[in-house]
Amino acid sequence: TQLLEQSPQFLSIQEGENLTVYCNSSSVFSSLQWYRQEPGEGPVLLVTVVTGGEVKKLKRLTFQFGDARKDSSLHITAAQPGDTGLYLCAGCSEHAGNMLTFGGGTRLMVKP
Amino acid sequence: NAGVTQTPKFQVLKTGQSMTLQCAQDMNHNSMYWYRQDPGMGLRLIYYSASEGTTDKGEVPNGYNVSRLNKREFSLRLESAAPSQTSVYFCASSVTGPPYEQYFGPGTRLTVT
Repeated sequence: TQLLEQSPQFLSIQEGENLTVYCNSSSVFSSLQWYRQEPGEGPVLLVTVVTGGEVKKLKRLTFQFGDARKDSSLHITAAQPGDTGLYLCAGCSEHAGNMLTFGGGTRLMVKP
Repeated sequence: NAGVTQTPKFQVLKTGQSMTLQCAQDMNHNSMYWYRQDPGMGLRLIYYSASEGTTDKGEVPNGYNVSRLNKREFSLRLESAAPSQTSVYFCASSVTGPPYEQYFGPGTRLTVT
């Protein structure tokens, strides 16, 4: 069974602060996706990283895939209240039939 | 372009009752999925359908059945609901092929009393 562990589980910060969310596994993934979910809605895809060491930026969000493709991080610069939500990482592996394995999520609250 | 739609949005059942959750996508995706989301446990795959006419079990299939009615529609049935099936259910779809990015519906919040 492939596991993805996210940390921290909960994060409450003030507007303007920076933060990093981690997604770790002992398994290798062919790609890793990050989703954001708001209350009462389904997850929405933010980004997909596919190459070891890859860095992708989406405005104030920076996503990195580990060199060994076993871990990933999400860094938010100058967080805003609109960033509040549940962040989920999901790894895709051929060994799992190309199904996604989801982490438990990081619930972020950004206070104004 | 509605993406992935799910009905109903909310449902309350009594133990032993049955119901079907409906899902439809208009993105011409081959693959469709049903997940359940419980606090602190992320999303767990119940069943998936790689293409029209095929379905396969996921991580937590017990107590559920699915039907891939056509390319657009994928339904999830609870034959005899149990309190352990209280959860939020999400349907998703994706193209067949890497990177297997999935698009989710808004979810169905189910409570079994």
